[in-house]
Amino acid sequence: GIQVEQSPPDLILQEGANSTLRCNFSDSVNNLQWFHQNPWGQLINLFYIPSGTKQNGRLSATTVATERYSLLYISSSQTTDSGVYFCAVGNTGKLIFGQGTTLQVKP
Amino acid sequence: GAVVSQHPSWVICKSGTSVKIECRSLDFQATTMFWYRQFPKQSLMLMATSNEGSKATYEQGVEKDKFLINHASLTLSTLTVTSAHPEDSSFYICSARPGNNEQFFGPGTRLTVL
Repeated sequence: GIQVEQSPPDLILQEGANSTLRCNFSDSVNNLQWFHQNPWGQLINLFYIPSGTKQNGRLSATTVATERYSLLYISSSQTTDSGVYFCAVGNTGKLIFGQGTTLQVKP
Repeated sequence: GAVVSQHPSWVICKSGTSVKIECRSLDFQATTMFWYRQFPKQSLMLMATSNEGSKATYEQGVEKDKFLINHASLTLSTLTVTSAHPEDSSFYICSARPGNNEQFFGPGTRLTVL
């Protein structure tokens, strides 16, 4: 099956800093999603981005499908950005999740 | 749009009892829903794919007789954990697709088996 690797596993930032989270995957995909899991466990959809670039406020994402990676950019980070960020990919309708990046933004 | 709900949010049960978790798509119809399990500090693991009107498809290593899935309508899938044991304690999350590949997730159900 598809392997998904996220980096870094942990990230600590000062409020206002920018960051880049990476997701590598081992096979071609027709689905790639980025999520933020809040402290109560709810997965918040950030981007559906099997290819290309999208932006939503301070967040943006780029997927280079031919090179099998995706990047999530967080600019001007805020304490409310803290939590776990998951990348999930698939090519058969199912989603395979990476291990996540735990982000802590300090005031 | 694309809202998925789960009930209950949390449940505590005694070892040996069965627990049913409901997953509903509130504003769309879903022929396919998915059930995941997440242990503390770990990622989500797909347990099974729930297909409306037909049998669920289970991932390798998931006991289909222990985790019963029923998808009787286009907006409801249920997961029943039968004869639950403490090792079944986990966070169970469902998801559904309104049309394209994008999945939307429910808020999860935290199961504690005593």
